[in-house]
Amino acid sequence: KAGVTQTPRYLIKTRGQQVTLSCSPISGHRSVSWYQQTPGQGLQFLFEYFSETQRNKGNFPGRFSGRQFSNSRSEMNVSTLELGDSALYLCASSKQGEAYEQYFGPGTRLTVT
Amino acid sequence: DQQVKQNSPSLSVQEGRISILNCDYTNSMFDYFLWYKKYPAEGPTFLISISSIKDKNEDGRFTVFLNKSAKHLSLHIVPSQPGDSAVYFCAASVGSSNTGKLIFGQGTTLQVKP
Repeated sequence: KAGVTQTPRYLIKTRGQQVTLSCSPISGHRSVSWYQQTPGQGLQFLFEYFSETQRNKGNFPGRFSGRQFSNSRSEMNVSTLELGDSALYLCASSKQGEAYEQYFGPGTRLTVT
Repeated sequence: DQQVKQNSPSLSVQEGRISILNCDYTNSMFDYFLWYKKYPAEGPTFLISISSIKDKNEDGRFTVFLNKSAKHLSLHIVPSQPGDSAVYFCAASVGSSNTGKLIFGQGTTLQVKP
């Protein structure tokens, strides 16, 4: 079974721009969660989607948003990029009823200059 | 407010010996705990989990112990192998089956020396 895939793997953007990251979950998984990993803050939860609805949300500003499609694929968007948004963005998927057991993709490394 | 803490940033052990990684938490509502391993340039890989109703779970060389009164969990790796060298994260969940929100510790870098 294929794992979680994320595209693109690397991205360089300029301050003020916006960016969209994509995540394809493991087949059959309906929950998708997003995390931001930075050296100073570790892994922090952004939001979770289940059946195209946002089920949980972390403490990030409204510039961070996401959505989920009917095939469970998910995208996250960051608008008006700031230097501090440079991070590894990780997506994870899980089965219905086992949302705690998450399987991660390789991440998208975003650099904001 | 860091609800999950891994106080040791790094740990070095000899191949074949036991590795013990520790994690403390503050939120008594956590009902599921997990350990993940992460190599550079890869996403975290799920290792082992434990429900708050248990005090031990074992899977091959990996055993997780939970002490609810002390709000402490630990991961034991026996015997340690060089391939175990990685960053280990503990994570916790509230409302486990219906929430995909995990709270992670800061991670412990394990080095296993041949």
